[in-house]
Amino acid sequence: DQQVKQNSPSLSVQEGRISILNCDYTNSMFDYFLWYKKYPAEGPTFLISISSIKDKNEDGRFTVFLNKSAKHLSLHIVPSQPGDSAVYFCAASDSGGSNYKLTFGKGTLLTVNP
Amino acid sequence: EPEVTQTPSHQVTQMGQEVILRCVPISNHLYFYWYRQILGQKVEFLVSFYNNEISEKSEIFDDQFSVERPDGSNFTLKIRSTKLEDSAMYFCASKVTGGLYEQYFGPGTRLTVT
Repeated sequence: DQQVKQNSPSLSVQEGRISILNCDYTNSMFDYFLWYKKYPAEGPTFLISISSIKDKNEDGRFTVFLNKSAKHLSLHIVPSQPGDSAVYFCAASDSGGSNYKLTFGKGTLLTVNP
Repeated sequence: EPEVTQTPSHQVTQMGQEVILRCVPISNHLYFYWYRQILGQKVEFLVSFYNNEISEKSEIFDDQFSVERPDGSNFTLKIRSTKLEDSAMYFCASKVTGGLYEQYFGPGTRLTVT
């Protein structure tokens, strides 16, 4: 039951170029979406989020785009840096529930090459 | 910057033994969670805790699992009789109250059941 899907297990980009990580969801009740970054042996670190009432949210080098009709979101990192190399998780939440639990995708391993 | 802490970082136990995983959430947070990640798989929700009670639990969180907030700072996950399939990284997370969805994760406890 994959309600949140990250179909690319890995992505490799050159330093300075754009990284685009994609995420699809199937549960139409999801209305808040988050991206987390995870280094080995560490917990997920919150990166950026977007509410379903928006289609774009930007924070420095990171921008998240949401296409509700397609149930698709993407994370853009510009410019990519070697320190961005990590696993990126897409997560979703349903505000109708009272506990704000997160449903995660399987993650995409981003490698930024110098 | 406040952070979620977890102890121990690694726990090895024999099948059938009880384990307690400990977490100290961020001090002004009111929602608490446990997630787990089996090697190579996605991060999965286990349980949420608010106002001194479980607000939601997943199918994974059966009678062998329990959570407790024994004082104003600690949040624990107990597995009464561990199974081999309980081997995973266990992450504690917390969030503030209200409409903010961002959860902040601890570094995790790697549980190995032999």
